[in-house]
Amino acid sequence: QKEVEQNSGPLSVPEGAIASLNCTYSDRGSQSFFWYRQYSGKSPELIMFIYSNGDKEDGRFTAQLNKASQYVSLLIRDSQPSDSATYLCAGYFNDYKLSFGAGTTVTVRA
Amino acid sequence: EAQVTQNPRYLITVTGKKLTVTCSQNMNHEYMSWYRQDPGLGLRQIYYSMNVEVTDKGDVPEGYKVSRKEKRNFPLILESPSPNQTSLYFCASSKNGETQYFGPGTRLLVL
Repeated sequence: QKEVEQNSGPLSVPEGAIASLNCTYSDRGSQSFFWYRQYSGKSPELIMFIYSNGDKEDGRFTAQLNKASQYVSLLIRDSQPSDSATYLCAGYFNDYKLSFGAGTTVTVRA
Repeated sequence: EAQVTQNPRYLITVTGKKLTVTCSQNMNHEYMSWYRQDPGLGLRQIYYSMNVEVTDKGDVPEGYKVSRKEKRNFPLILESPSPNQTSLYFCASSKNGETQYFGPGTRLLVL
């Protein structure tokens, strides 16, 4: 079983709407979670990381972590066409391994 | 400028012909890693290194070798490439294994 799962997508939202991305994980010992954005043909770039239960906001992005339910989410508010990309969820496990989900492709319609 | 570089960026080769993809970082990071990315499978870790002369297998190490003789360099070696190793490869570095910075990627086609 994959340690990090991203089952949603692809996701299409109108400009200005909220895009909601979800990720679940299987290891209760995992402590750190990351959201990366990857434009087509480019390398992943870090958007946010979250260690603690609850919400973490950075500009238009909000990451949410619920360790009891083992899920991580990313909200993109006021979505822009430039947000169109694949979003990768990753969990850092205690053996120095960063495990990635398969990604969710987001398209923001102008 | 802090960066991770990879060479070559694109490579077409034939089955069985040994190749090396180089990776170098200028951030003095201890941790470096190699991933491959395939459609629908996301990023899968091939090998990682926690410091000079310390390497370990990731999720998909078969058919690959690595070495870490210097802190800044972490080459990926394919001794006898096969078509199932056709993929997009990323090198990444990190200070502590968590927040990772990725290179630009190497697109490999094995015929």
